[in-house]
Formats: sequence, structure tokens, C-alpha cells
Amino acid sequence: AQTVTQSQPEMSVQEAETVTLSCTYDTSESDYYLFWYKQPPSRQMILVIRQEAYKQQNATENRFSVNFQKAAKSFSLKISDSQLGDAAMYFCAYRSGGTGTASKLTFGTGTRLQVTL
Amino acid sequence: ETGVTQTPRHLVMGMTNKKSLKCEQHLGHNAMYWYKQSAKKPLELMFVYNFKEQTENNSVPSRFSPECPNSSHLFLHVHTLQPEDSALYLCASSQVTPSNYGYTFGSGTRLTVV
Repeated sequence: AQTVTQSQPEMSVQEAETVTLSCTYDTSESDYYLFWYKQPPSRQMILVIRQEAYKQQNATENRFSVNFQKAAKSFSLKISDSQLGDAAMYFCAYRSGGTGTASKLTFGTGTRLQVTL
Repeated sequence: ETGVTQTPRHLVMGMTNKKSLKCEQHLGHNAMYWYKQSAKKPLELMFVYNFKEQTENNSVPSRFSPECPNSSHLFLHVHTLQPEDSALYLCASSQVTPSNYGYTFGSGTRLTVV
């Protein structure tokens, strides 16, 4: 079974600074996808960024980027120019590739990000 | 409109009550999911529905009973709950393929068992 580990329960960053959230995973599969989700106090999980395992290039979405190290099974999220609205729980998630049936998302325990003035 | 709507937002139940949590998606997805989110634990997958058929039951106690009448609606019927069942219950939907898209989540139902 796949597992996802987030070793930082809480992180803090000053507004306009950069922060990196860590995630490692364990799998024997070669075809999979990785995601970062954000859960603000409104409770809805919002997709921040995704990465296909077969792509060597790291995904970027505006101020959010990932450092995907496939051999090390590491998938960290970098938030640049942090804003107050970035304060939330961040979850790393894994999804198997494949077709035909719905494949589940496996989540880490989350990292709570605080953004200070 | 988020695309996935869950009702009610909050639910307080006695241990002997019966209630239903509702989830509706307007995205044309063909898979739906129930997750349980408890403090300091990873999200726990409870049930998976694939084209209205249940494809996964993750050893969930029988006091939780899902129902998927069509690909747009998903229910979680609950009864005789225990205090440890207090949690945020999240519904999500997705396309079965391609898998490179994640799920779309609702805002959850906060269930408190008293």
C-alpha cells in the first residue's frame, strides 16, 4: 500500500517570504500522480498543484511550485511571495495511475501553515 | 457554487439517532467518494463509487451505510453512532480517468456525536 508522510505538523512564514513544505511517499508503482491540496478554514479542499510521475519537469502554478525527486520519493511544495490568504492546512496526496476504475487519493497528515505580518 | 455541495454543514446527533448526509456534484464526474477527517490523522477513505457501483468499502462499520442512486448524488446514512465517529465527513468526485486530475471536494459535514 502507498503511504504519504508529511513530517512538519506546523510551519510559519512571514508575508512576502518563501516557504517549503515537505512530503515523502512510498510506492512500488511507476505510474502515479502527486498533488498538493489546501484546506482553509472554510474546510473545502482546494487543489493547488499536481505532478505526473512520468514528467521530469517540476510543475508550477503562479507562486506555487514543486520539487519532485522521483528517486528519493520526495515531493515538496514551495510557496513564493507568501500572502495572508495562503494560511491553511496543506495536504500532500498520491493517486495511482491506471484506467478503468476509480483510484483513491492517499493523503498525508497535513502541515498547518501560518502567515505572519 | 463549488461543484460539489454537501448538506448539512453541521450535524449534532445523539447516539441513537438516524440521519443522512447528502452530497451532490454538478461536474459530470463518474466517481464519488466519502472521506472521514479526524484531528491529527490522515484523511481516511471510507467508500468509493464508480459509475454508481460501490467499488471500495474500507472496512467501515455497518453503522455507516452509503447510497449512490445516480452518478450525481451520494448519501451517507448513519445510525447508532459512537463518540469516535465525530469528525468532518468530506465528499469528493472525480473522473475515473484520467487519473492525473485530482478530486473535487465539498465543504464537508461536521458531525458531532453527543
